[in-house]
Amino acid sequence: SQQGEEDPQALSIQEGENATMNCSYKTSINNLQWYRQNSGRGLVHLILIRSNEREKHSGRLRVTLDTSKKSSSLLITASRAADTASYFCATGGTSGNTPLVFGKGTRLSVIA
Amino acid sequence: GAVVSQHPSWVICKSGTSVKIECRSLDFQATTMFWYRQFPKQSLMLMATSNEGSKATYEQGVEKDKFLINHASLTLSTLTVTSAHPEDSSFYICSAGDRVLQPQHFGDGTRLSIL
Repeated sequence: SQQGEEDPQALSIQEGENATMNCSYKTSINNLQWYRQNSGRGLVHLILIRSNEREKHSGRLRVTLDTSKKSSSLLITASRAADTASYFCATGGTSGNTPLVFGKGTRLSVIA
Repeated sequence: GAVVSQHPSWVICKSGTSVKIECRSLDFQATTMFWYRQFPKQSLMLMATSNEGSKATYEQGVEKDKFLINHASLTLSTLTVTSAHPEDSSFYICSAGDRVLQPQHFGDGTRLSIL
């Protein structure tokens, strides 16, 4: 089953602009992860934020987590054409041997 | 970093054929591997959880006789789609992890097309 919704489903921006994607989930979590998927490829892990964290940065990525609203956001600053991909949030991975439950994903297109 | 290799990357075969997909953890021992299925422009849906040396746990609605999973070693899990039909055409992705390794690492996926 899927954990929740991501919005927008699709986002198209110009290179250099910021992209914000949101994720909502339904159950309590230990952590939330964001993954990127290039077309026809596997998933690349971007960032993991724990339930006791509110914000986390990694390079041009900024992730926020609001456990009271059961939501998270992923901000990509100064986007590049190479950022074009689908982005998924995932919950459930309390350890490496528990399965992930993915959101529906946001398809990001960055136009050069 | 941890690497998971999935093979083959693309398979096209006739209806009725059985297809085996391999998922290998190259530089760590994966006590658990997961198999996901993804339809075009949709999210990943968990099919089954595979623990080394034991039977796989299948999600509701996934036919275990249709999708045979074997995890005979700490570095290899296989998914066999038996007597595949066009409706089995999809993108199959594995991931691997252990109690310590976090996050899980994903293979590059296998695109299966049944004619």
